[in-house]
Amino acid sequence: QKEVEQDPGPLSVPEGAIVSLNCTYSNSAFQYFMWYRQYSRKGPELLMYTYSSGNKEDGRFTAQVDKSSKYISLFIRDSQPSDSATYLCAMSGGDSWGKLQFGAGTQVVVTP
Amino acid sequence: NAGVMQNPRHLVRRRGQEARLRCSPMKGHSHVYWYRQLPEEGLKFMVYLQKENIIDESGMPKERFSAEFPKEGPSILRIQQVVRGDSAAYFCASSISGGDQPQHFGDGTRLSIL
Repeated sequence: QKEVEQDPGPLSVPEGAIVSLNCTYSNSAFQYFMWYRQYSRKGPELLMYTYSSGNKEDGRFTAQVDKSSKYISLFIRDSQPSDSATYLCAMSGGDSWGKLQFGAGTQVVVTP
Repeated sequence: NAGVMQNPRHLVRRRGQEARLRCSPMKGHSHVYWYRQLPEEGLKFMVYLQKENIIDESGMPKERFSAEFPKEGPSILRIQQVVRGDSAAYFCASSISGGDQPQHFGDGTRLSIL
């Protein structure tokens, strides 16, 4: 079993819809949770960075962490075609201090 | 450009040759991380370095791979005697300090082995 599970998609939504992404994990020592966006042939771009459980909002993006369920989510409101990319969840903590454990990434397509 | 700089962007090598990948961290960042992304797979941690020190190399293959981050100059990931299975995208990330600080990535080096 992988430490971090993420549905690879693709996830197709119409422009303006809410995109809902999630990851589950098995290591209860993880404390830091990140979401990255990766366009084709580019490096991952940090979108959200959260510590422990709770919600964090930044513009159209909301990240949620539920440590009791080992489940994290990213919501993108008012999605745009430019949001079409692969979204990667990543986490660290415990023995993984300093090294990120990534999900496989979810490909998102926002259609005009 | 204040971001993480990697070069070359593309590198082609024949089997048995050496590959050297370079990474200059963001200004003010003293911690560097290397990750590998194989086709259809996620990013996998390889090594974590601070200036002149290897902090964690638990993701590095035991043979042919080495990494350094000297006092002056970029971090180098070196692959000796490359094989076809080394073909991948290699990403470097940096952070201002270690452990819990967010990591920022470069655009990677795409290594192709003929």
